[in-house]
Amino acid sequence: GAVVSQHPSRVICKSGTSVKIECRSLDFQATTMFWYRQFPKQSLMLMATSNEGSKATYEQGVEKDKFLINHASLTLSTLTVTSAHPEDSSFYICSARSDGPSGVYNEQFFGPGTRLTVL
Amino acid sequence: GQNIDQPTEMTATEGAIVQINCTYQTSGFNGLFWYQQHAGEAPTFLSYNVLDGLEEKGRFSSFLSRSKGYSYLLLKELQMKDSASYLCAVRDPGGGNKLTFGTGTQLKVEL
Repeated sequence: GAVVSQHPSRVICKSGTSVKIECRSLDFQATTMFWYRQFPKQSLMLMATSNEGSKATYEQGVEKDKFLINHASLTLSTLTVTSAHPEDSSFYICSARSDGPSGVYNEQFFGPGTRLTVL
Repeated sequence: GQNIDQPTEMTATEGAIVQINCTYQTSGFNGLFWYQQHAGEAPTFLSYNVLDGLEEKGRFSSFLSRSKGYSYLLLKELQMKDSASYLCAVRDPGGGNKLTFGTGTQLKVEL
């Protein structure tokens, strides 16, 4: 149980285009999901907290108009990187916290990540 | 602010024991997690400490001292597959379950 999927796993796009990344909790409901960015050989940096039915909460320094988050259901959150540029190339990882009993410590379950390369 | 430090890299021998340290200075504390992450993959949960002391789980153990802002992850009987990045993360005390991750320690297990 407690599986989180992401799609796509890898995407290459041209500069100036927008890319949508999906994060799904497959066997549990998640009112809250999180989006992280990870640069090579660095740790995870929280970008925003996604809340079902309400606006996302962005971390300081993260542009909300560039990284659009939509948490339309209890099992799906999407991150859209708008007008992507080469500096947005990174590994984007989502996680979800179960609303139910999954997770003894109320821990976050992570998706497999999406590798974004902007040419 | 949030400051969580770990050694950047460590190397150990197969079959040996290794201890990965994590020190933290955070504005609040509601538990500390250790995750394992292989390159290009998602982090996977290893352990959780919220009270002082040692938590043992098979080959992995984790220790916490809240007064010292210190934790360590102990890996015993190292295997080659343990070569990975190990991430320490502190949970905020608010109800949002927000995590702040440390810098991560890249562990290399050699023959």
